[in-house]
Amino acid sequence: DQQVKQNSPSLSVQEGRISILNCDYTNSMFDYFLWYKKYPAEGPTFLISISSIKDKNEDGRFTVFLNKSAKHLSLHIVPSQPGDSAVYFCAAGVFLETSYDKVIFGPGTSLSVIP
Amino acid sequence: GAVVSQHPSRVICKSGTSVKIECRSLDFQATTMFWYRQFPKQSLMLMATSNEGSKATYEQGVEKDKFLINHASLTLSTLTVTSAHPEDSSFYICSATWGEETQYFGPGTRLLVL
Repeated sequence: DQQVKQNSPSLSVQEGRISILNCDYTNSMFDYFLWYKKYPAEGPTFLISISSIKDKNEDGRFTVFLNKSAKHLSLHIVPSQPGDSAVYFCAAGVFLETSYDKVIFGPGTSLSVIP
Repeated sequence: GAVVSQHPSRVICKSGTSVKIECRSLDFQATTMFWYRQFPKQSLMLMATSNEGSKATYEQGVEKDKFLINHASLTLSTLTVTSAHPEDSSFYICSATWGEETQYFGPGTRLLVL
């Protein structure tokens, strides 16, 4: 059973508009959430994160919103640029009693920003 | 969606021993597999890219002799942490792809070296 879901495999947005990528999770024990961006033939790179005690985190054009009651988070990109075209992975992490964490990834959403 | 498994899911070993982690694509043939390491509260770090039948390409700063990668078939890649030390304790994740965009992640392996 997938604990982290990204129900939209792909999304197309016009340049300059807002891109909204959604992610749902099932485990209320997650402590933080991450978004990764991946270009073709490259590994994912970290984009932005949010702690479970927050409901919003902003970094430039990227904002992540967390709705804990709905177990839902979303990544907003404003304004969208053609260079944002990539696959976006949502991930959820939990602090463990040891020194390392458990992170679970969603299946990804492919974003295409049309010039 | 495609499924990628990792085995073992967690391992505890003594310092100086070697540990092998398997990454399998269960329902597709993976032309490329990636190995990552997750440090606590930090982002994922790409360790190496592995193509079936050829030598892995390691990222800068990753010791090839320390982290041996073997991609023997289109469905299996292994990462061996040789002579493991406590600082190697981490969360190791693999991912597999058959194309340029789609990438599927394994569930991860937690390694604790005592």
